Amino acid sequence: QKEVEQDPGPLSVPEGAIVSLNCTYSNSAFQYFMWYRQYSRKGPELLMYTYSSGNKEDGRFTAQVDKSSKYISLFIRDSQPSDSATYLCAMSAGNFNKFYFGSGTKLNVKP
Amino acid sequence: EAGVAQSPRYKIIEKRQSVAFWCNPISGHATLYWYQQILGQGPKLLIQFQNNGVVDDSQLPKDRFSAERLKGVDSTLKIQPAKLEDSAVYLCASSTYPPRAGGLSTDTQYFGPGTRLTVL
Repeated sequence: QKEVEQDPGPLSVPEGAIVSLNCTYSNSAFQYFMWYRQYSRKGPELLMYTYSSGNKEDGRFTAQVDKSSKYISLFIRDSQPSDSATYLCAMSAGNFNKFYFGSGTKLNVKP
Repeated sequence: EAGVAQSPRYKIIEKRQSVAFWCNPISGHATLYWYQQILGQGPKLLIQFQNNGVVDDSQLPKDRFSAERLKGVDSTLKIQPAKLEDSAVYLCASSTYPPRAGGLSTDTQYFGPGTRLTVL
């Protein structure tokens, strides 16, 4: 069983839609949860960073963590064509700052 | 603040040849990571340095891969000899980990643009 599972998509939505991206994990020691955005032929770029459970909002982006279900989500409101990218979730237990990445979900927002 | 720098951006070699990648982390970042990202997959950690010491190299294929960070700043990753399955993007990341006293026990990682390696 992989440490982190993520639906690879691709996910195609019309401009303005609400997008929901999700990851599940198996290691209950994970406390730090990150979402990275990766454009084609670029390195991953940090989008959201959450410690422990709860919600965090930043503009059109909301990250949710449910540690009881071992489930994290990223919501994108009013999606734009510029949001078209691969979204990677990452998690860490804090030990030596080792990150475990999902395989990424490819999102396409159509104008 | 300048980001993580990597070079070259692209490299094409034939199998059994050798290749080296270079990374310069964000200034002041103590920890440096090398990842391998195969198309359609998430990054896989190859090696983690803290200053110039190795923290984790458990997934580094040591028969062909080597890495060093001699002065605790920039780093090189080498593959010798390359195999077809080494075709991937090699990402370098850095972080300020370990945290200052009283801080969280992890810190986010900042990635460079990557080096796309094609082995023919």
